[in-house]
Amino acid sequence: AQTVTQSQPEMSVQEAETVTLSCTYDTSESDYYLFWYKQPPSRQMILVIRQEAYKQQNATENRFSVNFQKAAKSFSLKISDSQLGDAAMYFCAFISSGSARQLTFGSGTQLTVLP
Amino acid sequence: DTAVSQTPKYLVTQMGNDKSIKCEQNLGHDTMYWYKQDSKKFLKIMFSYNNKELIINETVPNRFSPKSPDKAHLNLHINSLELGDSAVYFCASSQEDTSGYEQYFGPGTRLTVT
Repeated sequence: AQTVTQSQPEMSVQEAETVTLSCTYDTSESDYYLFWYKQPPSRQMILVIRQEAYKQQNATENRFSVNFQKAAKSFSLKISDSQLGDAAMYFCAFISSGSARQLTFGSGTQLTVLP
Repeated sequence: DTAVSQTPKYLVTQMGNDKSIKCEQNLGHDTMYWYKQDSKKFLKIMFSYNNKELIINETVPNRFSPKSPDKAHLNLHINSLELGDSAVYFCASSQEDTSGYEQYFGPGTRLTVT
């Protein structure tokens, strides 16, 4: 079974600064995908960024980038130039390309952006 | 033009009642899911349907019964509601055999059992 661990229940960052959210996972699969989802107070789950395990290049989406270390099973999210609208709960999630398409989520990191 | 919609968004009911939550997606996806988010914000899969066929059924009390009348709909019926069922329930959908395996989530239904 897969597990996803987010060791930072809460983080804070000053507006315009950079913050990194940590995520580690455990799996015996070789083909899988990793995601970061954002959940603002509206509770809508919003996909932030996706990484395919077979790709060595780290994914980037505007101010959001990941540091994917496959051997270490680590998948951190870096938010650059933080904005007030980035304040949310961030979930790391794993999905195997095997037969069961269920997302396994970490426990989340609550990000506060300070003006 | 909402991609994944759920009704109702809020549901307050008493213990022992039976209630349903409806989910519809207009993305043409063939797989739909129900997730439960508890009071500590932890998200866990409950069910998954692919082309109207149940493919994931996690350890969930059998008071919970999903129903998929067609590929675009996946409803969740809950019998004999208990206090511990209070949570936010999310519906999601995805397309099998796509490279991304992205799941698109509905807005969630906050269920409060009193």
